[in-house]
Amino acid sequence: EIVLTQSPAILSLSPGERATLSCRASQSVSSNLAWYQQKPGQAPRLLIYDASNRATGIPARFSGSGSGTDFTLTISTLEPEDFAVYYCQQRSRWPITFGQGTRLDIK
Amino acid sequence: QVRLVQSGAEVKKPGASVKVSCTASGYTFTTYALLWVRQAPGQRPEWMGWINTGNGNTRYSLKFQDRLTISKDASASTTVMELSGLTSEDTAVYYCARVADSACGNSRCPWGQGTLVTVSS
Repeated sequence: EIVLTQSPAILSLSPGERATLSCRASQSVSSNLAWYQQKPGQAPRLLIYDASNRATGIPARFSGSGSGTDFTLTISTLEPEDFAVYYCQQRSRWPITFGQGTRLDIK
Repeated sequence: QVRLVQSGAEVKKPGASVKVSCTASGYTFTTYALLWVRQAPGQRPEWMGWINTGNGNTRYSLKFQDRLTISKDASASTTVMELSGLTSEDTAVYYCARVADSACGNSRCPWGQGTLVTVSS
């Protein structure tokens, strides 16, 4: 099973700042990595698919990069609605696995 | 508008089975595979299984394969997840979701709204 490790566990920033979230895979997942945002009481929302492609309807301030084992989600300028939990997910090999999440808190 | 709408919350006794349905709209159901994922309180999402909505092929997590069945009814644009032998450890929100692949650049890839399954005696 491919283990995804996200860092940091908690990130405290202010609106207007830049956020950088990391996801590291225990073995290569090529570019088969997605990023999700989840707010309390809501289903996860797809932000990025295939490592660097914004999903339909996602604002341009969200961007993804990386391939192989190291991936980054960047939020260029934080808006108040961006404070949430973020998960990475790989679909390169069965079983599909998720990272443990990064909680983005308002500082 | 692409949507996945799930059936309502369930309360089950230990040892029982639960069925959760997921109905797609806004696109041709048989075009894209679907996942079933669950999330226990405060935990990360956990993948359970996958179904090819065209030919009905399935793939299950080893953790669930002995008690999980995922099926489809293309005429109703619906997939159904059935989990048997429930224990309190199965208390979670269950989701269906579109696979996050290249199709998500041209079409929304939503998750269903979630179905809370509570297992309690």
